Amino acid sequence: SQQGEEDPQALSIQEGENATMNCSYKTSINNLQWYRQNSGRGLVHLILIRSNEREKHSGRLRVTLDTSKKSSSLLITASRAADTASYFCATGTGAQKLVFGQGTRLTINP
Amino acid sequence: GAVVSQHPSWVICKSGTSVKIECRSLDFQATTMFWYRQFPKQSLMLMATSNEGSKATYEQGVEKDKFLINHASLTLSTLTVTSAHPEDSSFYICSAREWGTGYGYTFGSGTRLTVV
Repeated sequence: SQQGEEDPQALSIQEGENATMNCSYKTSINNLQWYRQNSGRGLVHLILIRSNEREKHSGRLRVTLDTSKKSSSLLITASRAADTASYFCATGTGAQKLVFGQGTRLTINP
Repeated sequence: GAVVSQHPSWVICKSGTSVKIECRSLDFQATTMFWYRQFPKQSLMLMATSNEGSKATYEQGVEKDKFLINHASLTLSTLTVTSAHPEDSSFYICSAREWGTGYGYTFGSGTRLTVV
C-alpha cells in the first residue's frame, strides 16, 4: 500500500528557479529516501535522510525531515532543464521494503 | 557503484503467453530483491520481495500464480508473468539490496510489457 502523499502532483517552473516538493507519510520510519525517474526509465537514488536527521544536502539538493509532522521536503536549487523528471519519496521501515509516494512530475522550462 | 541490469527493456507478447523478466546484480550480491509495477503517471507498487533461496513474499492483492518470482542465486531474480492478458501491460521494475550496505537500494532500468 502506498504510504506517502506528495505535493504538488505536478510542478512547472522556469530554468534557474528553485523547485520544492513535499512528501507526507503515515507510519514511523527508519529513513526517507528521494528518487528521480526519467520518463520510461528506472529510478535513480538521490538522497537518504535518517529518522534522527533533520536536514541533509547533496549538491543542489536539500532535504528536510520533520518526524513530528511526518513530512519531508526536497528542494532543488538553480534548476536545469535536465532536472525535468518525476520525483518520488520512499520510506524505509524495519521491514526492508520501500514504500513510495505518489510522486511529483517536475518540468523545467528553458 | 552498484548496478542492476534488467532485461528485456521492452517486450510485446500475445495474450495467453508467458513472459520472463530478468534482474541481475552485476557487481554485488543481492540477498534481497524487490519487484514493482508502475502504471503510467503513477507511483511504484511493490509486488513482492524475494530472498535468495526462499519463496517470495507477495503483497496483498498480488496473484502468486500469476506472477512467479524466482531468486535462485545471489545475483539473479526472475519475474514470470504467466498467461498474460492486456491488463498485465505495465512497467515492471526490480530493485536489489546488497547485504551489509545499510539502506541502499539499486533499481533496474525497468521493463515495458505490452500484451496484445
